[in-house]
Amino acid sequence: SQTIHQWPATLVQPVGSPLSLECTVEGTSNPNLYWYRQAAGRGLQLLFYSVGIGQISSEVPQNLSASRPQDRQFILSSKKLLLSDSGFYLCAWKVAGRISGNTIYFGEGSWLTVV
Amino acid sequence: SQQGEEDPQALSIQEGENATMNCSYKTSINNLQWYRQNSGRGLVHLILIRSNEREKHSGRLRVTLDTSKKSSSLLITASRAADTASYFCATAGSARQLTFGSGTQLTVLP
Repeated sequence: SQTIHQWPATLVQPVGSPLSLECTVEGTSNPNLYWYRQAAGRGLQLLFYSVGIGQISSEVPQNLSASRPQDRQFILSSKKLLLSDSGFYLCAWKVAGRISGNTIYFGEGSWLTVV
Repeated sequence: SQQGEEDPQALSIQEGENATMNCSYKTSINNLQWYRQNSGRGLVHLILIRSNEREKHSGRLRVTLDTSKKSSSLLITASRAADTASYFCATAGSARQLTFGSGTQLTVLP
């Protein structure tokens, strides 16, 4: 069965510090991978998605970047965090290329507080 | 941009009652999905309804889709305290991504 792991679960970082959130998927190959951000009490905003190694699409201009160094590894980074980067970050995956059954499976999320 | 928008934003009911949440969207879709999120956790997929389907059932869940009105509803029957969560609709216009609404916060009082 497929599983998705995301870490760290919680972190508190000072303004201007770097960020690295990591996500790995097991039990599947060539998944589509996603990073979402959720502000408190709000919906999900798609930040990045990837359809393959080294292929990153950015949905919104921002202070963050993403990388996919391996097929099932997706990393969210920042060189210098801003207060506005605080939020709940969710990694997700789905089977590539299927429209009719494109259920997305989420990790447990990472709470980031920038102070 | 977020296409799906849920209504109401918050809903509070007594245990045993039915809960109905609505979702409206703007552009054509291939399918619409409902997800549930417990506080501080990831989202869990509940049910998917395709654009050529009008109604779908899964246990105590009933989903309807009206593509002419670009709307969907999620009905939870005989609600339980454990149903307390946020519920999101998500629309799929392409094979690559889903667009989520802002969610309905459901509180089921024991």
